Amino acid sequence: DTAVSQTPKYLVTQMGNDKSIKCEQNLGHDTMYWYKQDSKKFLKIMFSYNNKELIINETVPNRFSPKSPDKAHLNLHINSLELGDSAVYFCASSQMAISTDTQYFGPGTRLTVL
Amino acid sequence: AQKITQTQPGMFVQEKEAVTLDCTYDTSDQSYGLFWYKQPSSGEMIFLIYQGSYDEQNATEGRYSLNFQKARKSANLVISASQLGDSAMYFCAMKASGTYKYIFGTGTRLKVLA
Repeated sequence: DTAVSQTPKYLVTQMGNDKSIKCEQNLGHDTMYWYKQDSKKFLKIMFSYNNKELIINETVPNRFSPKSPDKAHLNLHINSLELGDSAVYFCASSQMAISTDTQYFGPGTRLTVL
Repeated sequence: AQKITQTQPGMFVQEKEAVTLDCTYDTSDQSYGLFWYKQPSSGEMIFLIYQGSYDEQNATEGRYSLNFQKARKSANLVISASQLGDSAMYFCAMKASGTYKYIFGTGTRLKVLA
């Protein structure tokens, strides 16, 4: 019973291609996130959706487009992939905007752009 | 602005000994939560322990405890009786009440020696 799942786990692609990463959570949470973790392990928030509405949109190239068809799913589409997009992308979810709310992460998707 | 600082990029500890991983934070909010996550070499982000700003007692979860010193704005993670499986990256994070955003530190890489 995986709480937050992501597919695929690994993604290897050529520069210039378009790819998508899918995320699903079965925790009943209202809020989902995408993070990028670079080679130095720094976690950078990219987007967040609450009940299908975009609530956090950090400075991210517009080649990255999140889509939330319902509150249990948050997908990330990346156009025209670049070498610098190589990273691990984590999906996460949490329930609400209170300080006690714990965020749970998916297993991550390792994206390698050649 | 909120900030999390982890000043120890790497730490070593002998197996069966205790280790403290430092975390200091900066916030003007009165209500906030502090979290620790473990990221083993397999890559997943595992939630370890939570401390609320109004909690009077330090949080404990098995071999993990959080040494919370509010006046010093520190939330150090203490791992007792270290095991080889504790070797991982450890991230401190903070969330203020009324927000959806989690602020992460840069992480500390812990290596447990046999």
